[in-house]
Amino acid sequence: AQSVAQPEDQVNVAEGNPLTVKCTYSVSGNPYLFWYVQYPNRGLQFLLKYITGDNLVKGSYGFEAEFNKSQTSFHLKKPSALVSDSALYFCAVRDRGYGQNFVFGPGTRLSVLP
Amino acid sequence: DAGITQSPRYKITETGRQVTLMCHQTWSHSYMFWYRQDLGHGLRLIYYSAAADITDKGEVPDGYVVSRSKTENFPLTLESATRSQTSVYFCASSAQRQGDGTGELFFGEGSRLTVL
Repeated sequence: AQSVAQPEDQVNVAEGNPLTVKCTYSVSGNPYLFWYVQYPNRGLQFLLKYITGDNLVKGSYGFEAEFNKSQTSFHLKKPSALVSDSALYFCAVRDRGYGQNFVFGPGTRLSVLP
Repeated sequence: DAGITQSPRYKITETGRQVTLMCHQTWSHSYMFWYRQDLGHGLRLIYYSAAADITDKGEVPDGYVVSRSKTENFPLTLESATRSQTSVYFCASSAQRQGDGTGELFFGEGSRLTVL
Protein backbone atom coordinates (compact mmCIF):
# COMPACT_ATOMS: atom_id res chain seq x y z
CA ALA A 1 0.00 0.00 0.00
CA GLN A 2 1.07 3.54 -0.65
CA SER A 3 1.81 5.87 2.24
CA VAL A 4 3.24 9.30 2.82
CA ALA A 5 4.82 10.63 5.99
CA GLN A 6 5.47 14.21 6.89
CA PRO A 7 7.44 13.89 10.12
CA GLU A 8 6.95 17.47 11.28
CA ASP A 9 3.53 18.84 12.19
CA GLN A 10 4.93 22.35 12.39
CA VAL A 11 7.97 24.09 10.93
CA ASN A 12 8.98 27.56 12.06
CA VAL A 13 11.51 29.60 10.13
CA ALA A 14 12.56 33.24 10.12
CA GLU A 15 11.85 35.34 7.07
CA GLY A 16 14.79 35.30 4.69
CA ASN A 17 16.12 31.98 5.95
CA PRO A 18 15.98 28.79 3.89
CA LEU A 19 13.12 26.42 4.60
CA THR A 20 12.69 22.68 4.28
CA VAL A 21 9.48 20.71 4.64
CA LYS A 22 10.13 16.99 4.81
CA CYS A 23 8.31 14.15 3.08
CA THR A 24 9.00 10.45 2.87
CA TYR A 25 6.95 7.95 0.92
CA SER A 26 6.34 4.27 0.45
CA VAL A 27 5.08 2.75 -2.79
CA SER A 28 5.47 -0.59 -4.46
CA GLY A 29 7.02 0.77 -7.62
CA ASN A 30 8.33 4.04 -8.96
CA PRO A 31 6.32 6.99 -7.69
CA TYR A 32 4.83 10.15 -8.98
CA LEU A 33 5.31 12.76 -6.24
CA PHE A 34 3.52 16.05 -5.69
CA TRP A 35 3.52 19.03 -3.34
CA TYR A 36 0.45 21.15 -2.64
CA VAL A 37 -0.10 24.23 -0.48
CA GLN A 38 -3.28 25.21 1.34
CA TYR A 39 -4.00 28.71 2.60
CA PRO A 40 -6.71 29.25 5.24
CA ASN A 41 -10.23 28.51 4.01
CA ARG A 42 -8.96 27.72 0.53
CA GLY A 43 -8.52 24.62 -1.58
CA LEU A 44 -5.17 23.00 -2.18
CA GLN A 45 -2.96 24.53 -4.85
CA PHE A 46 -0.43 22.57 -6.87
CA LEU A 47 3.21 23.57 -6.34
CA LEU A 48 5.32 21.03 -8.19
CA LYS A 49 5.69 17.39 -9.14
CA TYR A 50 8.29 14.76 -9.82
CA ILE A 51 7.54 12.38 -12.65
CA THR A 52 10.92 11.35 -14.00
CA GLY A 53 14.31 12.78 -14.89
CA ASP A 54 16.19 15.41 -12.90
CA ASN A 55 15.96 14.80 -9.17
CA LEU A 56 15.66 18.53 -8.46
CA VAL A 57 12.27 19.85 -9.46
CA LYS A 58 11.42 23.53 -9.61
CA GLY A 59 7.91 24.78 -9.05
CA SER A 60 5.75 27.78 -8.31
CA TYR A 61 6.60 30.72 -6.02
CA GLY A 62 10.31 29.84 -5.87
CA PHE A 63 9.80 26.42 -4.35
CA GLU A 64 11.80 23.36 -5.36
CA ALA A 65 11.92 19.77 -4.23
CA GLU A 66 14.59 17.10 -4.26
CA PHE A 67 13.70 13.52 -5.08
CA ASN A 68 15.94 10.96 -3.37
CA LYS A 69 15.12 7.43 -4.39
CA SER A 70 17.48 5.70 -1.96
CA GLN A 71 16.01 7.59 0.99
CA THR A 72 12.47 7.54 -0.45
CA SER A 73 12.20 11.23 0.24
CA PHE A 74 10.85 14.27 -1.56
CA HIS A 75 11.64 17.30 0.58
CA LEU A 76 10.28 20.72 -0.30
CA LYS A 77 12.73 23.61 -0.15
CA LYS A 78 12.98 27.33 -0.68
CA PRO A 79 16.19 29.36 -0.43
CA SER A 80 14.61 32.40 1.24
CA ALA A 81 11.31 32.18 3.08
CA LEU A 82 8.62 34.85 2.94
CA VAL A 83 5.95 35.58 5.55
CA SER A 84 3.40 34.91 2.79
CA ASP A 85 4.69 31.32 2.53
CA SER A 86 3.01 30.57 5.85
CA ALA A 87 0.45 27.86 5.06
CA LEU A 88 -0.28 24.15 5.27
CA TYR A 89 1.81 21.99 2.95
CA PHE A 90 0.87 18.54 1.74
CA CYS A 91 3.03 15.93 0.08
CA ALA A 92 1.23 13.38 -2.09
CA VAL A 93 2.19 10.23 -3.94
CA ARG A 94 0.62 8.31 -6.71
CA ASP A 95 1.78 4.81 -7.46
CA ARG A 96 2.33 4.42 -11.19
CA GLY A 97 0.89 0.97 -11.13
CA TYR A 98 -1.95 1.52 -8.70
CA GLY A 99 -4.57 3.56 -10.39
CA GLN A 100 -5.73 7.08 -10.03
CA ASN A 101 -5.64 7.66 -6.32
CA PHE A 102 -3.42 10.21 -4.68
CA VAL A 103 -2.32 9.43 -1.15
CA PHE A 104 -1.73 12.59 0.86
CA GLY A 105 0.49 13.10 3.85
CA PRO A 106 -0.99 14.59 7.02
CA GLY A 107 0.30 18.05 6.24
CA THR A 108 2.96 20.33 7.74
CA ARG A 109 2.11 23.79 8.96
CA LEU A 110 4.80 26.27 7.98
CA SER A 111 5.09 29.51 9.91
CA VAL A 112 7.47 32.13 8.62
CA LEU A 113 8.22 34.66 11.30
CA PRO A 114 8.97 38.28 10.39
CA ASP B 1 -14.54 32.17 -15.06
CA ALA B 2 -12.75 28.94 -15.85
CA GLY B 3 -11.97 26.61 -13.01
CA ILE B 4 -13.63 24.34 -10.54
CA THR B 5 -16.55 25.61 -8.49
CA GLN B 6 -18.12 24.07 -5.42
CA SER B 7 -21.45 24.96 -3.88
CA PRO B 8 -22.55 25.62 -1.28
CA ARG B 9 -19.40 26.86 0.44
CA TYR B 10 -21.05 26.47 3.85
CA LYS B 11 -23.91 24.24 4.89
CA ILE B 12 -25.50 23.39 8.20
CA THR B 13 -27.92 20.49 8.30
CA GLU B 14 -29.46 18.06 10.72
CA THR B 15 -28.87 14.38 11.25
CA GLY B 16 -30.85 12.26 8.83
CA ARG B 17 -31.31 14.90 6.15
CA GLN B 18 -30.12 14.47 2.59
CA VAL B 19 -27.47 16.90 1.43
CA THR B 20 -25.98 17.38 -2.02
CA LEU B 21 -22.71 19.15 -2.62
CA MET B 22 -22.21 20.38 -6.14
CA CYS B 23 -19.02 20.47 -8.17
CA HIS B 24 -18.62 22.01 -11.60
CA GLN B 25 -15.48 22.30 -13.71
CA THR B 26 -14.99 24.18 -16.94
CA TRP B 27 -11.78 22.51 -18.18
CA SER B 28 -13.41 19.33 -19.53
CA HIS B 29 -11.06 17.29 -17.38
CA SER B 30 -11.80 13.59 -17.57
CA TYR B 31 -11.08 12.74 -13.94
CA MET B 32 -12.90 14.19 -10.96
CA PHE B 33 -12.52 13.42 -7.27
CA TRP B 34 -14.20 14.05 -3.94
CA TYR B 35 -12.08 14.28 -0.79
CA ARG B 36 -12.91 15.06 2.79
CA GLN B 37 -10.48 16.86 5.06
CA ASP B 38 -10.54 16.24 8.78
CA LEU B 39 -8.11 17.11 11.54
CA GLY B 40 -5.97 14.12 12.29
CA HIS B 41 -6.90 12.33 9.09
CA GLY B 42 -5.68 14.67 6.38
CA LEU B 43 -7.33 14.25 3.00
CA ARG B 44 -9.23 11.07 2.29
CA LEU B 45 -10.70 10.04 -1.04
CA ILE B 46 -14.44 9.41 -1.04
CA TYR B 47 -15.18 8.72 -4.70
CA TYR B 48 -13.66 9.43 -8.04
CA SER B 49 -14.77 9.37 -11.65
CA ALA B 50 -12.73 8.63 -14.75
CA ALA B 51 -15.35 9.95 -17.19
CA ALA B 52 -19.05 10.55 -17.51
CA ASP B 53 -21.01 7.57 -16.18
CA ILE B 54 -17.86 5.97 -14.69
CA THR B 55 -17.39 6.22 -10.95
CA ASP B 56 -15.45 4.25 -8.37
CA LYS B 57 -15.13 4.10 -4.61
CA GLY B 58 -12.25 5.59 -2.72
CA GLU B 59 -11.06 5.07 0.82
CA VAL B 60 -14.19 6.25 2.68
CA PRO B 61 -17.29 5.85 0.45
CA ASP B 62 -19.86 4.67 3.02
CA GLY B 63 -22.80 7.03 3.38
CA TYR B 64 -22.07 8.88 0.15
CA VAL B 65 -23.43 8.64 -3.37
CA VAL B 66 -22.05 10.22 -6.53
CA SER B 67 -23.15 10.56 -10.10
CA ARG B 68 -21.60 11.91 -13.25
CA SER B 69 -24.06 12.30 -16.05
CA LYS B 70 -22.04 15.12 -17.63
CA THR B 71 -18.29 15.53 -17.78
CA GLU B 72 -18.36 18.91 -16.07
CA ASN B 73 -20.50 18.02 -13.04
CA PHE B 74 -19.78 15.63 -10.17
CA PRO B 75 -22.28 16.02 -7.32
CA LEU B 76 -21.77 14.31 -3.97
CA THR B 77 -24.86 13.30 -2.00
CA LEU B 78 -25.07 12.38 1.64
CA GLU B 79 -28.22 10.29 1.68
CA SER B 80 -28.82 10.52 5.43
CA ALA B 81 -26.33 12.83 7.06
CA THR B 82 -24.59 11.83 10.28
CA ARG B 83 -22.50 13.89 12.68
CA SER B 84 -19.41 11.98 11.64
CA GLN B 85 -19.84 13.48 8.17
CA THR B 86 -19.16 16.95 9.52
CA SER B 87 -16.11 17.89 7.50
CA VAL B 88 -14.67 20.06 4.77
CA TYR B 89 -15.28 18.52 1.35
CA PHE B 90 -13.08 19.20 -1.62
CA CYS B 91 -13.79 18.46 -5.23
CA ALA B 92 -10.84 18.14 -7.58
CA SER B 93 -10.23 17.42 -11.24
CA SER B 94 -7.34 16.23 -13.33
CA ALA B 95 -6.59 16.31 -17.01
CA GLN B 96 -4.88 12.93 -17.15
CA ARG B 97 -5.70 10.31 -19.71
CA GLN B 98 -6.64 6.75 -18.79
CA GLY B 99 -3.61 4.98 -17.38
CA ASP B 100 -1.58 8.19 -17.15
CA GLY B 101 -0.99 9.19 -13.55
CA THR B 102 1.17 12.22 -14.15
CA GLY B 103 -1.52 14.87 -14.02
CA GLU B 104 -1.84 17.04 -10.96
CA LEU B 105 -5.10 17.77 -9.18
CA PHE B 106 -6.92 21.08 -9.36
CA PHE B 107 -9.04 21.73 -6.28
CA GLY B 108 -12.17 23.68 -5.63
CA GLU B 109 -12.43 26.04 -2.66
CA GLY B 110 -14.19 23.49 -0.49
CA SER B 111 -17.61 23.01 1.10
CA ARG B 112 -17.74 23.16 4.87
CA LEU B 113 -20.53 20.92 6.12
CA THR B 114 -21.79 20.82 9.68
CA VAL B 115 -24.23 18.10 10.71
CA LEU B 116 -26.06 18.85 13.95
